[in-house]
Formats: sequence, C-alpha cells, structure tokens
Amino acid sequence: AQTVTQSQPEMSVQEAETVTLSCTYDTSESDYYLFWYKQPPSRQMILVIRQEAYKQQNATENRFSVNFQKAAKSFSLKISDSQLGDAAMYFCAYRSLIIQGAQKLVFGQGTRLTINP
Amino acid sequence: DAGITQSPRHKVTETGTPVTLRCHQTENHRYMYWYRQDPGHGLRLIHYSYGVKDTDKGEVSDGYSVSRSKTEDFLLTLESATSSQTSVYFCAIRGTGVSGNTIYFGEGSWLTVV
Repeated sequence: AQTVTQSQPEMSVQEAETVTLSCTYDTSESDYYLFWYKQPPSRQMILVIRQEAYKQQNATENRFSVNFQKAAKSFSLKISDSQLGDAAMYFCAYRSLIIQGAQKLVFGQGTRLTINP
Repeated sequence: DAGITQSPRHKVTETGTPVTLRCHQTENHRYMYWYRQDPGHGLRLIHYSYGVKDTDKGEVSDGYSVSRSKTEDFLLTLESATSSQTSVYFCAIRGTGVSGNTIYFGEGSWLTVV
C-alpha cells in the first residue's frame, strides 16, 4: 500500500520570502500522480499543483513549484514570494488507481504554514 | 469550481440517529467520492462510486453506506451516528479531459454527533 509522509507538522516564513515543504512517499508503481492541496481556515481543499511521475520536468504554477525526485520518492513544494494568503494547511497526496478507473488519494498528515508579516 | 454542492453544510445530531449527507454535481462526472477529515489525518476515503448504482468501500467504510441512483447525486448515510463519526466530510469528483487525473473537492460538511 502507498504511504505519504510529511515530516514537518508546522512551518513559518516571513512574508515575501521562500519556503519549502517536504513530502516523501512509498510506492511500487512506476506511473502515478502527486498533488499538493491547500486547505485555508475555510477548510476548502484547493488544488495547488500536480506532477505526473513520467514527466521529468518539475511542475510550476506561478509562485508554486515542486522538486520531484522520483528515485528518492520525494516531492517537495516551494512557495516563492510568500504572501499572507498562502497561510494554510498544505497536504501532499498520492494518486492510486482502484477499480473501474476510479482513483484514490492517499494523503500525508499535513503541514501548517504560517506567514509572518 | 467543479460544480459540487454538499448539503447540509453543518449538522448537529444525537448519537443513534440516522444522518444522510448529500453530494450534488452538475457536470455529469462519472466518479464520485466521500472522504472524511479528522485531526492529525489528511483525508481518508470512505466510499466511492464509478457509476450509477456502482459503489465500493474505501479504507474507513465501517458505519457508513452510500447510494447513487442518478449520476448527479451521491448520498452518504450514517445508519446510527456515533461520536467517533464527528468529522468534516468532503465529497469529491474525478475531473475529465485534461483534468482526468485530478480529484476536486466540495466545500465540506461539518457533522457533530453529541
């Protein structure tokens, strides 16, 4: 079974600086997807970024980028130019296929990010 | 916005009573999911559906049942609510097309069992 580990329960960063959130996972699959979701105080789950395992190029979405190390099974999220609105819980997730094309997300425990003004 | 509406958004109920949460989607998605979120955990899969009347269990299905009689609605039922089922419940759908490998979530339903 796949597992996802986020070893940093809490992180803080100064506004406008860069922060990196860590995620490792365990799988025997060769083709899979990885995600970072953001959960602000409203508790809504918002997709931040997605990475396909077969792509060597790291995904980027504006100020958000990932460092995907497939051999090391590592998937970190870098937030550049941190803004107050980035404060949230961040979850790393692994997509696992189940039956009939359905998918299951396996989540890490989350990292709470605080932005200091 | 994946066109997902959850109802009710907040509910307080008593132990032993039945509770049904509804997930409604407007974009004809085939795959729908129910997750729960508890402190110290990310979301965990309760049940999922891969078509009308086609459902299966996830990793934390004990005490829950689901039904999907039409494409747009996926119902989660707690037959006899217990305090351990106090949680935030999220409905989700699998995207389509270029988003077909991405799961999108509704806004969540807060359930308190007293």
